[in-house]
Amino acid sequence: QKEVEQDPGPLSVPEGAIVSLNCTYSNSAFQYFMWYRQYSRKGPELLMYTYSSGNKEDGRFTAQVDKSSKYISLFIRDSQPSDSATYLCAMISNFGNEKLTFGTGTRLTIIP
Amino acid sequence: ETGVTQSPTHLIKTRGQQVTLRCSSQSGHNTVSWYQQALGQGPQFIFQYYREEENGRGNFPPRFSGLQFPNYSSELNVNALELDDSALYLCASSLATSTYGYTFGSGTRLTVV
Repeated sequence: QKEVEQDPGPLSVPEGAIVSLNCTYSNSAFQYFMWYRQYSRKGPELLMYTYSSGNKEDGRFTAQVDKSSKYISLFIRDSQPSDSATYLCAMISNFGNEKLTFGTGTRLTIIP
Repeated sequence: ETGVTQSPTHLIKTRGQQVTLRCSSQSGHNTVSWYQQALGQGPQFIFQYYREEENGRGNFPPRFSGLQFPNYSSELNVNALELDDSALYLCASSLATSTYGYTFGSGTRLTVV
């Protein structure tokens, strides 16, 4: 069983829809949770960052973490064609000398 | 200079050959990590360097090795290339005392034939 599970998709939604992306994890030591966006042939770009449980909002993006369920989500409101990319969840227990553990990524396409 | 830069962007090598990939860290970042991303997969941790010393290693064989230089630039070396080494290799830099996260480069796409 992988430490982080993420539905690979692909996921296609019409422009303007609300998108929900999710990951589950098994390692209870994870404390920092991130969402990266990766465009084709590019490196991952940090989109959202959350420490411990709770919600965080940044413009059209909302990240949720439920440590009791070991479940994290990213919501995208008013989705735009420019949001079409692969979204990777990542998590880490601490930044001292630990690695980021990624999900497989969900490929998202926003249809104009 | 801002951002993480990697070179080359693309590379084709023959099975059994050796390859060196290079990374220039974001200014001020003293920690560099390397990740391997196979097609359709998430990045997998190879190793991390802090102050020129290896500071953590993932489940990769010893033929994957690295260096970090005093200016915090870094190299990833892979010996005896195998077909399964074909992947996007990502360099990520961070500040050891920061909890904000990692800045990734655009990667080097390695194809082994």
